[in-house]
Amino acid sequence: EDQVTQSPEALRLQEGESSSLNCSYTVSGLRGLFWYRQDPGKGPEFLFTLYSAGEEKEKERLKATLTKKESFLHITAPKPEDSATYLCAVDVTGGSYIPTFGRGTSLIVHP
Amino acid sequence: GAGVSQSPSNKVTEKGKDVELRCDPISGHTALYWYRQSLGQGLEFLIYFQGNSAPDKSGLPSDRFSAERTGGSVSTLTIQRTQQEDSAVYLCASSLRILNTEAFFGQGTRLTVV
Repeated sequence: EDQVTQSPEALRLQEGESSSLNCSYTVSGLRGLFWYRQDPGKGPEFLFTLYSAGEEKEKERLKATLTKKESFLHITAPKPEDSATYLCAVDVTGGSYIPTFGRGTSLIVHP
Repeated sequence: GAGVSQSPSNKVTEKGKDVELRCDPISGHTALYWYRQSLGQGLEFLIYFQGNSAPDKSGLPSDRFSAERTGGSVSTLTIQRTQQEDSAVYLCASSLRILNTEAFFGQGTRLTVV
């Protein structure tokens, strides 16, 4: 069974304190891995897609990386406005393009 | 429209009543997904529409749940004889069907069954 596990469940950082969120996956074959950000009361907002091991993508203070077993979302010098839940999802080869989501990591950045 | 639109934003219904949730996807997006998100839980897949193909209903939790997509655009998720465990946020997303492109989500409908 395909599985997506995110850790930690919750993370509290001080403003400027860099850290990483983890998304580990056990799938038969990866077609793509997605990162989303979700603010309270809103739908998830797309951040990145990664397709193959070794790939990296960046956007402002966020950098996503991918290996054959996991992805990391690195947050450099976070600001309070980076506080949100970050969701990881995988699209599996041979499937019908239905992303499977992890439970997310709730990030709080204190000023 | 500019994004995925869902209505209503909030719905409170009595146990046993039927409800309809609406999703208006981004124009030109052929794929449409319904997910359910309960407090502290991840997104639970419900149903997927792709163009004119038969929908993938493998995620629907019971036969009380159904969905349709008219004209390849607007979709309606119907829950019959609602139960308290149906209380959740129902999210709709759409995407272009070019390889596995990202999905764009609506703001969700918060359903409360009392």
